[in-house]
Amino acid sequence: GQNIDQPTEMTATEGAIVQINCTYQTSGFNGLFWYQQHAGEAPTFLSYNVLDGLEEKGRFSSFLSRSKGYSYLLLKELQMKDSASYLCAVWSGGATNKLIFGTGTLLAVQP
Amino acid sequence: GAGVSQSPRYKVAKRGQDVALRCDPISGHVSLFWYQQALGQGPEFLTYFQNEAQLDKSGLPSDRFFAERPEGSVSTLKIQRTQQEDSAVYLCASSLGDPQPQHFGDGTRLSIL
Repeated sequence: GQNIDQPTEMTATEGAIVQINCTYQTSGFNGLFWYQQHAGEAPTFLSYNVLDGLEEKGRFSSFLSRSKGYSYLLLKELQMKDSASYLCAVWSGGATNKLIFGTGTLLAVQP
Repeated sequence: GAGVSQSPRYKVAKRGQDVALRCDPISGHVSLFWYQQALGQGPEFLTYFQNEAQLDKSGLPSDRFFAERPEGSVSTLKIQRTQQEDSAVYLCASSLGDPQPQHFGDGTRLSIL
């Protein structure tokens, strides 16, 4: 089966660092994406990991361990505008290129 | 802008009516995807096109759902004889190919009364 787990909600303070974890069990794996989605808006691409290790992009970093079926998204120097849902998605690859999404983690950044 | 455009933004229909949702992908994007997103959930895959070919429709919930992309650009998702459980946000995404990131539209929020 396909299973992607993320915490439902998290709260953090402006200026702090927060780590959002994602574990997955899927029949195929060709990479893992993180998307940000503000309420009522489109998901927007944040990062893509296909190899083990850390990918850094400004305030956002993403880590992947394929052997553990685990990823995390690290957000530094949190800003109020970072309050959003963060979606972990596995790219299944193969004949179909669909993304399999987790339920998303709703992050609330407080002053 | 040159993003993915979806219309209408909101659609209200009575149970039993047919609806058609439109997606204009980013110009030149080969791959096009439809997803369904319920409130508080992540998007769920419906169907996938590579140019005009529908390569995967395994996520379509029933035979009331039909998607097409006849010229390999604009796509339409049609739902016949709508039911209340069809109420959701329908997201369209496109990409240059794979594994390029998928770029999403703002979605169509469908409400069935």
